[in-house]
Amino acid sequence: DGGITQSPKYLFRKEGQNVTLSCEQNLNHDAMYWYRQDPGQGLRLIYYSQIVNDFQKGDIAEGYSVSREKKESFPLTVTSAQKNPTAFYLCASNRGLEDTQYFGPGTRLTVL
Amino acid sequence: GIQVEQSPPDLILQEGANSTLRCNFSDSVNNLQWFHQNPWGQLINLFYIPSGTKQNGRLSATTVATERYSLLYISSSQTTDSGVYFCAVENNNQFYFGTGTSLTVIP
Repeated sequence: DGGITQSPKYLFRKEGQNVTLSCEQNLNHDAMYWYRQDPGQGLRLIYYSQIVNDFQKGDIAEGYSVSREKKESFPLTVTSAQKNPTAFYLCASNRGLEDTQYFGPGTRLTVL
Repeated sequence: GIQVEQSPPDLILQEGANSTLRCNFSDSVNNLQWFHQNPWGQLINLFYIPSGTKQNGRLSATTVATERYSLLYISSSQTTDSGVYFCAVENNNQFYFGTGTSLTVIP
């Protein structure tokens, strides 16, 4: 089946630790996105990538880093510099800007 | 960035009722989508509708790009329609989401 997978579903981390969230898609989409959602809020864009080996910051990139070495994969690292990392993280992909976005199931990160 | 406002923020309906959700945006957009987020957090695309009208079963959507708003219509609502409905727009290579309308359909 084609789709987007994110792992893990739940993640707990101690303060001061970096953690990497996985996002994989087999839809052959060029563009991939990372969003953050806080309780009762909409989604906010962290990073996006329109092509392999290239990515751009979204509105809230501080404290996060990404890589795009393969078309299928767009991992997100939440660094210790991110002040409030506890949130629901969603990955999405599409063929390009003027196209429907498809979302993965999300990862809930809790910092203890 | 672009501002996206959704109304109402919360809505409670009796099963079988109809409803209209609104999305206003502050600038011209190249892409507008409506999503439904279920209680487990999964976002499902409902419509890709930068302009015009589309229908899919009991749902339909209209976007009037020149007046910077979009409407989502839900007819004959069912309990499975419950969840949060988001509008998202693309402007200057970035996507912006509204804060959503939380819909509860009671039997």
